[in-house]
Amino acid sequence: EIVLTQSPGTLSLSPGERATLSCRASQSVAYSYLAWYQQKPGRAPSLLISGASKRATGVPDRFSGSGSGTDFTLTISRLEPEDVAVYYCQQYNKSPPTFGQGTKVEIK
Amino acid sequence: QVQLVESGGGVVQPGRSLRLSCATSGFTLSRFGMHWVRQAPGKGLEWVAVSWKTGGDGSYADSVKGRFTIARDNSNNTLSLQMDSVRAEDTAVYYCVRDGGSSEFYFDYWGQGSLVTVSS
Repeated sequence: EIVLTQSPGTLSLSPGERATLSCRASQSVAYSYLAWYQQKPGRAPSLLISGASKRATGVPDRFSGSGSGTDFTLTISRLEPEDVAVYYCQQYNKSPPTFGQGTKVEIK
Repeated sequence: QVQLVESGGGVVQPGRSLRLSCATSGFTLSRFGMHWVRQAPGKGLEWVAVSWKTGGDGSYADSVKGRFTIARDNSNNTLSLQMDSVRAEDTAVYYCVRDGGSSEFYFDYWGQGSLVTVSS
């Protein structure tokens, strides 16, 4: 199965700063079949990005995804207090679909 | 709007059975694959099983294959997960999740989750 490794484990930034989250795959993810999810404390995950860069309906444009092959990035251009959450990447190129271990984003 | 509402969670003894249900609304169930994804306490996400849009045999993670059975009733807009021979490591919040298409295997809508605790 494809193993996804996210870094850093925790990101602590001030409001308005740029957040850069990394997701590295153990083998190439074809067709950019990579998604990002946001899980706020005590809540179910929600879809942010599919196809590596396509924002889901209603997702603010401060969230953007990029990358291909084995290296993918989620960027939050200007961090807002409501962005405090754990962010997971997920590949759906090969079965079974697999998730990264998550990056926790905190506000300083 | 799309709604997914799980029920049936609780405390179950190791080796026993439990059945989770998911009531769906706001979309045509027969047009979408449906999944169960679980999250152990304080841990990350793990895909469990998929039900194809037309029903039939599902597909499973190795960790639950032969013990869990996914099923759907498109006429009643419900999804279920029959959990047999449960183990302590099956303790988790179980999410009913809609596929991004018929079988895309990314997840565009999530239920609120149902906690299953396996304990004697």
